[in-house]
Amino acid sequence: AQSVTQLGSHVSVSEGALVLLRCNYSSSVPPYLFWYVQYPNQGLQLLLKYTTGATLVKGINGFEAEFKKSETSFHLTKPSAHMSDAAEYFCAVSEGFAGAQKLVFGQGTRLTINP
Amino acid sequence: KAGVTQTPRYLIKTRGQQVTLSCSPISGHRSVSWYQQTPGQGLQFLFEYFSETQRNKGNFPGRFSGRQFSNSRSEMNVSTLELGDSALYLCASSLGAGTGGEQYFGPGTRLTVT
Repeated sequence: AQSVTQLGSHVSVSEGALVLLRCNYSSSVPPYLFWYVQYPNQGLQLLLKYTTGATLVKGINGFEAEFKKSETSFHLTKPSAHMSDAAEYFCAVSEGFAGAQKLVFGQGTRLTINP
Repeated sequence: KAGVTQTPRYLIKTRGQQVTLSCSPISGHRSVSWYQQTPGQGLQFLFEYFSETQRNKGNFPGRFSGRQFSNSRSEMNVSTLELGDSALYLCASSLGAGTGGEQYFGPGTRLTVT
């Protein structure tokens, strides 16, 4: 069965500092991996995804993530945090074949930005 | 292009009642998935519908059911509500085939059971 572990339920960084949110996954088949962001009282917004090909994936709002198969990781980074990045972030995995729409989510990481 | 819409946004029900939530996917999307979000259990997959057929199902009791119409709009129903059903219910839509599982979420329906 697939699973996702997000290390750190809360991460706090200063404005302008590096953001690093950690995600490890478990999957018996080649995974599709996603990062979503959720702002208060809203749904989830897709930041970026990895399916196949280039292992460094660039997303919206300056975020990127690197798929490392040997480490079963898909950590999310942003070089310089902005106050507007404060939100909850979810890593998710789905079975890597066309049509599989079931996402398995991590528990989420709440990102706080200090001025 | 309009995003995923969910109605109602907020709902308060009493234990034992039933509730129906509605989701309209992005135009052209044929797959609709439902998720339950709670502080304790996080985001959990309920079920997915594609072309009016349930294609995937999560580990929820039979009180939770859904359907999809020919225009891809979907509804989910929860019967005999329990306090533990209080949650944010999220609907997501996708093209549904060969798209890498990319899903677009609606704003959710917040259900409170008293």
